[in-house]
Amino acid sequence: AQSVTQLDSQVPVFEEAPVELRCNYSSSVSVYLFWYVQYPNQGLQLLLKYLSGSTLVKGINGFEAEFNKSQTSFHLRKPSVHISDTAEYFCAVISPRGRANNLFFGTGTRLTVIP
Amino acid sequence: DTAVSQTPKYLVTQMGNDKSIKCEQNLGHDTMYWYKQDSKKFLKIMFSYNNKELIINETVPNRFSPKSPDKAHLNLHINSLELGDSAVYFCASSQSGGDEKLFFGSGTQLSVL
Repeated sequence: AQSVTQLDSQVPVFEEAPVELRCNYSSSVSVYLFWYVQYPNQGLQLLLKYLSGSTLVKGINGFEAEFNKSQTSFHLRKPSVHISDTAEYFCAVISPRGRANNLFFGTGTRLTVIP
Repeated sequence: DTAVSQTPKYLVTQMGNDKSIKCEQNLGHDTMYWYKQDSKKFLKIMFSYNNKELIINETVPNRFSPKSPDKAHLNLHINSLELGDSAVYFCASSQSGGDEKLFFGSGTQLSVL
């Protein structure tokens, strides 16, 4: 079975500073990994995903993540955050079941950007 | 045009009642899902449904039942509501054999009093 662990429940960071949100996964098979963002009172939006190929994945809003198989990590980074990046960020892994792709989420990291 | 839409956005009800949440997607996807997000923001899959193949998370009580009148709709029925059912429920959809991206609705906040 696959699972993900997000080590930080809250990350405060000053505006224009860099940020890294950590995610580790466990799986006995190849994985598909995702980062989703949830803005207040909204549903989740896909930030980026890793399916295969290049281990550095670029997403929307200037975010990127690096898949590291040896460390079983998929940390999310942004070199300079904005106030509008304040949101809940979820790392997720797919567990294919039948013809559905069931996403299993980590517990989330609340990113708060301080002016 | 909203890709995945849920109604109602807010639902307040008494314990013991039966309620439904509707979900519609206009993306032509063949798979739909229901997720529950608790007060600590933890998201857990409840159901996935693809062409009449229903996969149920074994921890979901049988008071919860999904109903799919057609490929574009997956409604969630909840019988005998309990206090612990209070949460935000998200519908999502995806295309099997596609890029595994899920599209989420904006959520239904259920409060059981």
